[in-house]
Amino acid sequence: DGGITQSPKYLFRKEGQNVTLSCEQNLNHDAMYWYRQDPGQGLRLIYYSQIVNDFQKGDIAEGYSVSREKKESFPLTVTSAQKNPTAFYLCASSTTARTTNYGYTFGSGTRLTVV
Amino acid sequence: GQQLNQSPQSMFIQEGEDVSMNCTSSSIFNTWLWYKQDPGEGPVLLIALYKAGELTSNGRLTAQFGITRKDSFLNISASIPSDVGIYFCAGPIQGAQKLVFGQGTRLTINP
Repeated sequence: DGGITQSPKYLFRKEGQNVTLSCEQNLNHDAMYWYRQDPGQGLRLIYYSQIVNDFQKGDIAEGYSVSREKKESFPLTVTSAQKNPTAFYLCASSTTARTTNYGYTFGSGTRLTVV
Repeated sequence: GQQLNQSPQSMFIQEGEDVSMNCTSSSIFNTWLWYKQDPGEGPVLLIALYKAGELTSNGRLTAQFGITRKDSFLNISASIPSDVGIYFCAGPIQGAQKLVFGQGTRLTINP
């Protein structure tokens, strides 16, 4: 079955360390997105990519970096420059031709905790 | 920019009650999407609306696309424990291949 997979489900990081969250999809979707969700909050866009080797900053890109070397993969690195990284991170994908009508398919999320 | 405002922010109801929530914007949307997020999981699409005035059902869920195209409503009838979660409305941003989301409505059900 096609889907979008995030790993790991839970991640612990020491302050000052970089950490990379994985997102893989086998839906043949062109576009991929990263969102951050804080307790009791909505979804805030970090980065998105509409095509391989290209990506754009979202609303809260500071302290994060991404790459899109393959269509299937869109890893997110949370760098030490991110001052408050503890959050629930969601990856999503869509076909660029269908985003406006059918929305995204989301992964199951990664909960990052800084210890 | 385009923003979506959901209300209420949270709801505490008894099992079996009906639920109503809404989403409004100062901008016109051509598509309205409603998602549900179970605790600790990613959101899942419930209903998509494409035409002003459209009323669409998915089981006990019914959503409506407002006539002004600036609002949408979601109703849940006869709530059950598995309805617990956060409900998000979303719409496509004009000129961009991405969605804007509301802040969500958190639904809690007392058995």
